[in-house]
Amino acid sequence: EAQVTQNPRYLITVTGKKLTVTCSQNMNHEYMSWYRQDPGLGLRQIYYSMNVEVTDKGDVPEGYKVSRKEKRNFPLILESPSPNQTSLYFCASSSTGTKNIQYFGAGTRLSVL
Amino acid sequence: GENVEQHPSTLSVQEGDSAVIKCTYSDSASNYFPWYKQELGKGPQLIIDIRSNVGEKKDQRIAVTLNKTAKHFSLHITETQPEDSAVYFCAASPKGSGNTGKLIFGQGTTLQVKP
Repeated sequence: EAQVTQNPRYLITVTGKKLTVTCSQNMNHEYMSWYRQDPGLGLRQIYYSMNVEVTDKGDVPEGYKVSRKEKRNFPLILESPSPNQTSLYFCASSSTGTKNIQYFGAGTRLSVL
Repeated sequence: GENVEQHPSTLSVQEGDSAVIKCTYSDSASNYFPWYKQELGKGPQLIIDIRSNVGEKKDQRIAVTLNKTAKHFSLHITETQPEDSAVYFCAASPKGSGNTGKLIFGQGTTLQVKP
């Protein structure tokens, strides 16, 4: 089954404690992206990657890092989480050869205390 | 850069009625406009999309219309059912994105269909 898998689904942490949210896709997609969803603001792109070792900032990259060492994985790293990073996070992937159809993971709800 | 505005933020309709959600975009070079549906506890999922060379597209009870001159596009759901209750997002593919996959999303509309 074609899917994007995020882990964990729920995470509660404290300010300053480094964390990683993993994302993996099994569709051999080149393009992967991280979004955060906040009430009234829709989906805002954090970082994206066009392919292995190619990453770039989205619209709200401050406080986040990513890496793309393998095509299927695109982890999101928060080196020093702060309460304003409390949000619902989505990973998405798409093939760059066709329409920009993005396939989303189920989401990770993060609370930073 | 591209900016997408979506209205209304919430919409409540009776089962069987129609629902319309509207979006406007700023970049006249945008050429791809998808709509995503997000059910509770799940990630957004594509339900319909339209390219800039088409004015309208239908798929059963849902349709999307595009007015390039006015830079707005709309989602129409007819004969609404309780399972249509969800958050809907419009999006636009900004200039220069080509086949990169980049999309700019609207703020979302929470649709409630009352039985």
